[in-house]
Amino acid sequence: AQSVTQLGSHVSVSEGALVLLRCNYSSSVPPYLFWYVQYPNKGLQLLLKYTSAATLVKGINGFEAEFKKSETSFHLTKPSAHMSDAAEYFCAVSEGNDMRFGAGTRLTVKP
Amino acid sequence: GAGVSQSPSNKVTEKGKDVELRCDPISGHTALYWYRQSLGQGLEFLIYFQGNSAPDKSGLPSDRFSAERTGGSVSTLTIQRTQQEDSAVYLCASSITSGKGYEQYFGPGTRLTVT
Repeated sequence: AQSVTQLGSHVSVSEGALVLLRCNYSSSVPPYLFWYVQYPNKGLQLLLKYTSAATLVKGINGFEAEFKKSETSFHLTKPSAHMSDAAEYFCAVSEGNDMRFGAGTRLTVKP
Repeated sequence: GAGVSQSPSNKVTEKGKDVELRCDPISGHTALYWYRQSLGQGLEFLIYFQGNSAPDKSGLPSDRFSAERTGGSVSTLTIQRTQQEDSAVYLCASSITSGKGYEQYFGPGTRLTVT
């Protein structure tokens, strides 16, 4: 069965600092992996996705994630945080017709 | 183009009443999903529809929850005899088809409060 675990329900960084949001997955088949962002009172928006091509995936707003099969991880990073990055981030895995989401990580950016 | 829309945006209801939540997917999208987002719980899969196939109801938490999709487009999620633990944001998403790798496009959600 597919599942994801996001380590850390809350992450706080200073503006300009590195953002690292952790995601580990469990899947019985090669998975497709996604990161979504949710701004307050909005629906989820796709940041990036891994679909078995390049292991380093670049997304919108300067985010990127690296698929590491040996570590079953798909951590999200951004070199320099901006105030507008404050939001909730969800990692998701898809093996087939549905998608399973992690519990989310709330990112706070301090000035 | 138009995205996924949901109505109402907010719903307050008394315990024991029935509620209907509506989702209008992106035109041409054959797959439609419902999720429940509770505070600190992430997204809980409820049900998904793919074209005219029988829906996957494996995530529905109880028989008080049901959903239908008419004409392969608009979907309604119905919660009967609401309970306080049903309070959450209900999110709808659609994708061009089901299958891994296809992006889901989300609506803004309906915030349900059961008093």
